[in-house]
Amino acid sequence: EMQLLESGGGLVQSGGSLRLSCAASGFTFSSFAMSWVRQAPGKGLEWVSGIHSSGAGTYYADSVKGRFTISRDNSQNTVSLEMDSLRVEDTAVYYCAKGAGVGARSPFDYWGQGTLVTVSS
Amino acid sequence: DIVMTQSPDSLAVSLGERATINCKSSQSLLYSSNNKNYFAWYQQKPGQPPKLLIYWASTRKSGVPDRFSGSGSGTDFTLTISNLQAEDVAVYYCQQFYSSWTFGQGTKVEIK
Repeated sequence: EMQLLESGGGLVQSGGSLRLSCAASGFTFSSFAMSWVRQAPGKGLEWVSGIHSSGAGTYYADSVKGRFTISRDNSQNTVSLEMDSLRVEDTAVYYCAKGAGVGARSPFDYWGQGTLVTVSS
Repeated sequence: DIVMTQSPDSLAVSLGERATINCKSSQSLLYSSNNKNYFAWYQQKPGQPPKLLIYWASTRKSGVPDRFSGSGSGTDFTLTISNLQAEDVAVYYCQQFYSSWTFGQGTKVEIK
């Protein structure tokens, strides 16, 4: 059974840092792109960052570019999101999402349950 | 950046009736080399993560009931839920994956 398990969320002060991780199982992790998508309380979905199946390509939304870094470890079946210079507006549930293909240009065919990040002022 | 705009923001439909959600893209999502629209629909029920319903604008993901159908091409797309069931109450999002990824603002479907 396919599983994506996020961890690392919590409460952090504005300007602080946090590292999210997503542990994948039930599929050939190294064959698929992965992304992070967030959802602020009561709001819609916002794609945050993505990474190619090989890790060779990384992609970022303008709202997080220069502050967030995505990475993956295909030997450990994990994808991570390093979040620096956090802002109050980064407060959201962060979902790990599996791409349906190796790189960009594929939808997200499976999602984790999410981890809540709260940034206080 | 590609902007996705859904309409309406919410709608109430009677059980067994049809629900129609529209999504408009700020640029064409049709890739000429393979004639595919890089467009998808998702369903998110309260307290749950989103689920992929339809991709390539009209291909249902395995296991999705056939009362869900997608249509459209280029910049205008539609999700139709025929014979609305109580379990279809959710927020529905459109998404483009032609250039990075962008979601629409969501459409809330309720029972009338």
